[in-house]
Amino acid sequence: GAGVSQSPSNKVTEKGKDVELRCDPISGHTALYWYRQSLGQGLEFLIYFQGNSAPDKSGLPSDRFSAERTGGSVSTLTIQRTQQEDSAVYLCASSHGAQSNNSPLHFGNGTRLTVT
Amino acid sequence: DQQVKQNSPSLSVQEGRISILNCDYTNSMFDYFLWYKKYPAEGPTFLISISSIKDKNEDGRFTVFLNKSAKHLSLHIVPSQPGDSAVYFCAASARLTSGANSKLTFGKGITLSVRP
Repeated sequence: GAGVSQSPSNKVTEKGKDVELRCDPISGHTALYWYRQSLGQGLEFLIYFQGNSAPDKSGLPSDRFSAERTGGSVSTLTIQRTQQEDSAVYLCASSHGAQSNNSPLHFGNGTRLTVT
Repeated sequence: DQQVKQNSPSLSVQEGRISILNCDYTNSMFDYFLWYKKYPAEGPTFLISISSIKDKNEDGRFTVFLNKSAKHLSLHIVPSQPGDSAVYFCAASARLTSGANSKLTFGKGITLSVRP
């Protein structure tokens, strides 16, 4: 498909387990972002990749969170030793790289993570 | 510290009337503003944007107004249609100071309901 693809769409895990969330950005998009939306909250920035530059990890809430982007394309967000407060919808977005009228963020449908 | 504020969680309007969605920001470095629309179980989709060099941008039924002195922007939808019912997020970035790839900071969203 032409859009941003995220998998799985839903994930239920037990507290303390590790989870991996995957994002396939739009082909050719150099910028990739991870956001999360907790219940009743706005979209919280997590991490941003742009080309070969070092990622902006300033939004990661703890060292249990990490993300990779292999080959400048697919990205995985890993949460280790999940906690109940990690429950949220995790959204991936990609863009051409420049925030402009012609290149807004394109979001995937998200992964709904529930930690029991 | 919430830098983008959408203080009204919900808005209900009659079909055919005007919907006005408000957004306030605190960071004076923000110079680019966007509105995203989100349906349930889908990712947000870009709606309209405005640069700080303008005070108005119009696209069909959607107009965004920016008041820099008040650090306030609003989205007007006229005429409102039932299909406009969704969550609307205001977002901002500081492109001049942080570069064209600066991350977006989102508000908590406003749920718009358009009654037939």
